[in-house]
Amino acid sequence: DVKVTQSSRYLVKRTGEKVFLECVQDMDHENMFWYRQDPGLGLRLIYFSYDVKMKEKGDIPEGYSVSREKKERFSLILESASTNQTSMYLCASRRDRVGETQYFGPGTRLLVL
Amino acid sequence: SQQGEEDPQALSIQEGENATMNCSYKTSINNLQWYRQNSGRGLVHLILIRSNEREKHSGRLRVTLDTSKKSSSLLITASRAADTASYFCATQRGTGGYQKVTFGTGTKLQVIP
Repeated sequence: DVKVTQSSRYLVKRTGEKVFLECVQDMDHENMFWYRQDPGLGLRLIYFSYDVKMKEKGDIPEGYSVSREKKERFSLILESASTNQTSMYLCASRRDRVGETQYFGPGTRLLVL
Repeated sequence: SQQGEEDPQALSIQEGENATMNCSYKTSINNLQWYRQNSGRGLVHLILIRSNEREKHSGRLRVTLDTSKKSSSLLITASRAADTASYFCATQRGTGGYQKVTFGTGTKLQVIP
């Protein structure tokens, strides 16, 4: 089974802090994704990565950056956290560009005070 | 409105009853997928139906797709308390390259024992 893990289940940070969310998958998948999930808005794509060192903006990239130095690891960075970034963050991986199933991590619930 | 909208937003049924959730979308798609999310957790892939298919079954799940109406339905038969979760449809579209996946806002299902 594919396993996607996220570094933290819960995080509390202060406004202005730099925040790193880490995601690791163990199935040699090419594609990885970061979403945020907010009530009533569903899942919104922040960034995705086709492969190592490749990244593409999703629908809501403002205030975020990403890093993919190794195939199994995809990091989401909040350069200067703000209260409107309080949310549930979900990482997912997919075999390749035309693969169909996405495999999700358990999520990180981030609270920015 | 968004690509991939589920209705109803919330559904409460008794154990043993059937649950039906609907998803509507706007543009042509390659496939449509249904995912389940237990409270506070990541999403789990349930079933996929391709644009040239009309109906698909998996255990107690039945999915239909009507491309002329741009809609899909997910039927869970003989529901169980463990089926309590949020259910999301996701549409995949695009040719070659990256196939974009868009998630809906979800239907929250409560199955009462």
